[in-house]
Amino acid sequence: NAGVTQTPKFRVLKTGQSMTLLCAQDMNHEYMYWYRQDPGMGLRLIHYSVGEGTTAKGEVPDGYNVSRLKKQNFLLGLESAAPSQTSVYFCASSGLAGIEQYFGPGTRLTVT
Amino acid sequence: GQQLNQSPQSMFIQEGEDVSMNCTSSSIFNTWLWYKQDPGEGPVLLIALYKAGELTSNGRLTAQFGITRKDSFLNISASIPSDVGIYFCAGRNSGNTPLVFGKGTRLSVIA
Repeated sequence: NAGVTQTPKFRVLKTGQSMTLLCAQDMNHEYMYWYRQDPGMGLRLIHYSVGEGTTAKGEVPDGYNVSRLKKQNFLLGLESAAPSQTSVYFCASSGLAGIEQYFGPGTRLTVT
Repeated sequence: GQQLNQSPQSMFIQEGEDVSMNCTSSSIFNTWLWYKQDPGEGPVLLIALYKAGELTSNGRLTAQFGITRKDSFLNISASIPSDVGIYFCAGRNSGNTPLVFGKGTRLSVIA
């Protein structure tokens, strides 16, 4: 039982490049989330999903897209990376009540 | 949007001391959670609180759901070096709304 996994762990992009971050969970959770963490800013919600095939915007959705084609996976896409998107990205999942969230180990992204 | 205010932002304590931190909101919450983040890792759930006035322990950690439903407290007794990290509070006020996170309290323990 791996819990929540994220790939890749580290990535460096040039401005304008695109990439996809993958989150996978093996707990059969309904809800999945993408956060970014910047120094002094805590965790800010980017997008989330309340079930397979559904997505919703969080606090800071601009510049990101997401997809939840399978219940166990939640993908975060950056179509045209900007230096302001340099951050640590965390994925989380929670069960039907959507309360207790379990986090992955994070992806450190640098955009130059 | 909703905000949670955590205090203190950071603290330095001696090993063996007790620690207190809190989280406040301008609106009522139905659920409070406390997480710990070790350096380079994702946050880990420590304690979840579901009722006003609830007091819950997890080893040396004790958290309380304030009776006004606008605050929560976390205490750590007899701190040890592995308590170092960032402690986040999180809350939810209704239905399926996502959790709101505080900005964290950074704890340093001096041996």
